[in-house]
Amino acid sequence: SQTIHQWPATLVQPVGSPLSLECTVEGTSNPNLYWYRQAAGRGLQLLFYSVGIGQISSEVPQNLSASRPQDRQFILSSKKLLLSDSGFYLCAWRQSGEMNTEAFFGQGTRLTVV
Amino acid sequence: AQSVAQPEDQVNVAEGNPLTVKCTYSVSGNPYLFWYVQYPNRGLQFLLKYITGDNLVKGSYGFEAEFNKSQTSFHLKKPSALVSDSALYFCAVRPPGTYKYIFGTGTRLKVLA
Repeated sequence: SQTIHQWPATLVQPVGSPLSLECTVEGTSNPNLYWYRQAAGRGLQLLFYSVGIGQISSEVPQNLSASRPQDRQFILSSKKLLLSDSGFYLCAWRQSGEMNTEAFFGQGTRLTVV
Repeated sequence: AQSVAQPEDQVNVAEGNPLTVKCTYSVSGNPYLFWYVQYPNRGLQFLLKYITGDNLVKGSYGFEAEFNKSQTSFHLKKPSALVSDSALYFCAVRPPGTYKYIFGTGTRLKVLA
């Protein structure tokens, strides 16, 4: 069966520091991968998605970037964090090649920028 | 613009009573429709989806949802609510031919004992 791992679970970082959040998926190949941010425990904002290695689509211009160095690895990064980057970051995947499939989410990373 | 609306920030229901969480969407074509549930400090869990066919779909934990094309709605329902159903519920759509999931703002369900 497929599983998604996201870490760390919580992170407290000072303003101006770099960020790297990692997400990996097991048990599937060539998944579609997503990074969402959830602010204040409510709506989800799509940040990036990827349909293949090295293919990244950015939805919102901001202080973040994403990379997909391997088929089942998706990394969210920042060179210098801002206070406004605080939030709950969620990684998700879906099976590619089938249009009717749902997305599955990781457990999330709560980032607090201080 | 494509969007999903969950008009109620919070829904309160007594345990054992039926519940409905509302969702409407504004998407061209025939989108795929989904419901997810989120417990505190956790990721989203998939509940059910509508792709095509019967307008009433059944999902996990006794939840079901009714698709209404003319009203562009996809309301989540359960015949008898449990206290453990208390959580944040999200409706989502994926427009045809795209990879993106568009989420509503969420509805907090509170089931009172």
